[in-house]
Amino acid sequence: GAVVSQHPSWVICKSGTSVKIECRSLDFQATTMFWYRQFPKQSLMLMATSNEGSKATYEQGVEKDKFLINHASLTLSTLTVTSAHPEDSSFYICSASRSALAYEQYFGPGTRLTVT
Amino acid sequence: GEDVEQSLFLSVREGDSSVINCTYTDSSSTYLYWYKQEPGAGLQLLTYIFSNMDMKQDQRLTVLLNKKDKHLSLRIADTQTGDSAIYFCAESVKAAGNKLTFGGGTRVLVKP
Repeated sequence: GAVVSQHPSWVICKSGTSVKIECRSLDFQATTMFWYRQFPKQSLMLMATSNEGSKATYEQGVEKDKFLINHASLTLSTLTVTSAHPEDSSFYICSASRSALAYEQYFGPGTRLTVT
Repeated sequence: GEDVEQSLFLSVREGDSSVINCTYTDSSSTYLYWYKQEPGAGLQLLTYIFSNMDMKQDQRLTVLLNKKDKHLSLRIADTQTGDSAIYFCAESVKAAGNKLTFGGGTRVLVKP
């Protein structure tokens, strides 16, 4: 149990276009979903926290108009990178939590985004 | 503020024990965690420890927590080649909504 999927697993897009990444909890309902960004050989940086049906809470320094998060249901959250630029190229990882306890936060396999 | 630090790299021979160290600064940490990340993959929770404990053992894994020194370690007994990965320690603070703060990760290479 507690499986989280991401789609796509990798994507290449042209500079200036937008790309959407999906995060799904497959066998549980997620009260909260998190989006992280990971640069090569670096740690995960939390970008935003989203709860179903409400606006996402963005971490300091994360542009909410650039990284649009929609949490439409208890099993699906999407991250849209708008007007992508090469510096947005990164590994994006989502996690889904089925409770308020951080150890019940389950991670997706990640999406590698390359902007050319 | 929150700050979690780890050494960058550890090389170990197959069959030996590995010890990965982590320090943190937030004394109000509620839980501390160890995650494993294999290449191109997400994170797998290996184990976690509540902040009022000083040791937790789970099969080949032993977590030691020194709360006074804010030092956390993960010992992997009988290290196998499949243990080669990046290991992240992380903390969560209840007052911060249990958000996870990660260390920079330790790359463990197991040599046959």
